[in-house]
Amino acid sequence: SQKIEQNSEALNIQEGKTATLTCNYTNYSPAYLQWYRQDPGRGPVFLLLIRENEKEKRKERLKVTFDTTLKQSLFHITASQPADSATYLCALNDYKLSFGAGTTVTVRA
Amino acid sequence: NAGVTQTPKFQVLKTGQSMTLQCAQDMNHEYMSWYRQDPGMGLRLIHYSVGAGITDQGEVPNGYNVSRSTTEDFPLRLLSAAPSQTSVYFCASSGAQETQYFGPGTRLLVL
Repeated sequence: SQKIEQNSEALNIQEGKTATLTCNYTNYSPAYLQWYRQDPGRGPVFLLLIRENEKEKRKERLKVTFDTTLKQSLFHITASQPADSATYLCALNDYKLSFGAGTTVTVRA
Repeated sequence: NAGVTQTPKFQVLKTGQSMTLQCAQDMNHEYMSWYRQDPGMGLRLIHYSVGAGITDQGEVPNGYNVSRSTTEDFPLRLLSAAPSQTSVYFCASSGAQETQYFGPGTRLLVL
């Protein structure tokens, strides 16, 4: 089965800067990869899905890249705001959807 | 639409007790799943269902049972609770777009 690694458990950044999160996986490349946001005490909420034939996808201040050669996805939050503080999970499909442990982002005002 | 609902929100059990975690969705999704989330380990799939009457095991199925008699409901049963089952449990559903919609979670403490 897939092993998914997300960089550092925590990321602290200054408001206005860009946060970059990494998701690395082993074994075969999935057909698609997803990113979710999770706030404390709540269930994850879907943010973006990127397919294996897509290099980049954007949604407002969010950007996701997918490099099947490196077996890596990067998740960028540009012009970060304190409201972006949350845990971000990457997920990819195997015979099921597998999740990474998440990276907690804290944006300082 | 209420989306995915879970009950109870919080439960304390003694070792050996049984209970059922309820999950319902009103989006007519065929695919439903149960995850547990533990610190530093991410979400791990317990059981999933691809439609009414069809269920299968996920990554960590031992100690849990499921059934899917209707499209809307997907209960998770703990047969004999153990302290190792202390966790936060999330139910999720998805349709054809692969996106998973999660419930608010059930926090379970087994003493």
